[in-house]
Amino acid sequence: DQQVKQNSPSLSVQEGRISILNCDYTNSMFDYFLWYKKYPAEGPTFLISISSIKDKNEDGRFTVFLNKSAKHLSLHIVPSQPGDSAVYFCAASMSRSQGNLIFGKGTKLSVKP
Amino acid sequence: NAGVMQNPRHLVRRRGQEARLRCSPMKGHSHVYWYRQLPEEGLKFMVYLQKENIIDESGMPKERFSAEFPKEGPSILRIQQVVRGDSAAYFCASSRGVEETQYFGPGTRLLVL
Repeated sequence: DQQVKQNSPSLSVQEGRISILNCDYTNSMFDYFLWYKKYPAEGPTFLISISSIKDKNEDGRFTVFLNKSAKHLSLHIVPSQPGDSAVYFCAASMSRSQGNLIFGKGTKLSVKP
Repeated sequence: NAGVMQNPRHLVRRRGQEARLRCSPMKGHSHVYWYRQLPEEGLKFMVYLQKENIIDESGMPKERFSAEFPKEGPSILRIQQVVRGDSAAYFCASSRGVEETQYFGPGTRLLVL
């Protein structure tokens, strides 16, 4: 039973345009969300996080939006660069004091030059 | 500041053998987490340890798997009598505190023949 769902296995975007990666969750008890980026043969790298008390968090080219009523979050990358090509994982936890992160299956982003 | 170190990076075992995976957290981090990633899947939480203590092992299989994080030395994930279904990438993460960001190592890819 997938509690965190990334329904698009892959996404292709032109360099310079916006990339939008989506994530849905089923457990209304989740209150902390993260995005990780992963290159092949490497471990996930932390990108950005958001607490459920916020609806937006921005860090440079990366912005995460949270819609609690829809149980949906998205990661926007603007502008997209070829180096952003990687697998992006959405993760959630019940609280920041819990170490158990629940991951989605990931979305493979390809940014074309 | 060195990141999370895992060794070996690749491990091949025959069915019935034991696998030992090691994780050295980042300097100053006393919280360690182990995750497993099966092919085409997201990361699945296994266990969360703090120095000498298991805090949450809700994701650990009940048999053959054990984890420790001794006062001195790396954290060890031990798999006894491995089976083909144990073939996966095993990632370790560490954090300064449980509410801090988890930083991942490069993973150990276990192949059971």
